Amino acid sequence: GESVGLHLPTLSVQEGDNSIINCAYSNSASDYFIWYKQESGKGPQFIIDIRSNMDKRQGQRVTVLLNKTVKHLSLQIAATQPGDSAVYFCAESGMDSSYKLIFGSGTRLLVRP
Amino acid sequence: GAGVSQSPSNKVTEKGKDVELRCDPISGHTALYWYRQRLGQGLEFLIYFQGNSAPDKSGLPSDRFSAERTGESVSTLTIQRTQQEDSAVYLCASSPFTGGYTFGSGTRLTVV
Repeated sequence: GESVGLHLPTLSVQEGDNSIINCAYSNSASDYFIWYKQESGKGPQFIIDIRSNMDKRQGQRVTVLLNKTVKHLSLQIAATQPGDSAVYFCAESGMDSSYKLIFGSGTRLLVRP
Repeated sequence: GAGVSQSPSNKVTEKGKDVELRCDPISGHTALYWYRQRLGQGLEFLIYFQGNSAPDKSGLPSDRFSAERTGESVSTLTIQRTQQEDSAVYLCASSPFTGGYTFGSGTRLTVV
């Protein structure tokens, strides 16, 4: 099966700073992208999504940027808080794959007090 | 219910035994997905159901794995003759046709 079983890189930031988490996706036909947050012992939680006809979308304290030319996705978290500490995953889906989500390798975010 | 419910939350089984994992999706969600997550790793797609269409089984790692779903209701993931490498968290998600996936908290399977 499709797998993204890589050991997780870690991003350590100071509380109050901005965080940027990056993701490279694999399928140029993908047209829907999602960022998930996963806390220990819990399932992934939806943060923000973006469709391929956009290059930026903002939510509350979070912004997702999409660069289709280089197949790159990023998640920006403003004024990072201790509660933001978690593993973050990007996921992609294409219209031709019937909304099957393929997850990227996660990034562990650690927020230093 | 308000969210995706999975049971059991934890399962310890002996190598060689069969296990059944259950997922109750959000009412009205036409799509249901199973993923596997090994410790410290990402999510591995297993199988996808969309309404009454034929399921996408392309992620099932071996013929010991199977899943069923009747209509838009409960799904069960069955692992036969479990092996130690099957130890993982098995996550279920559901979504309406237009997307917007909601995950359950998963079943942590330990094969001893």
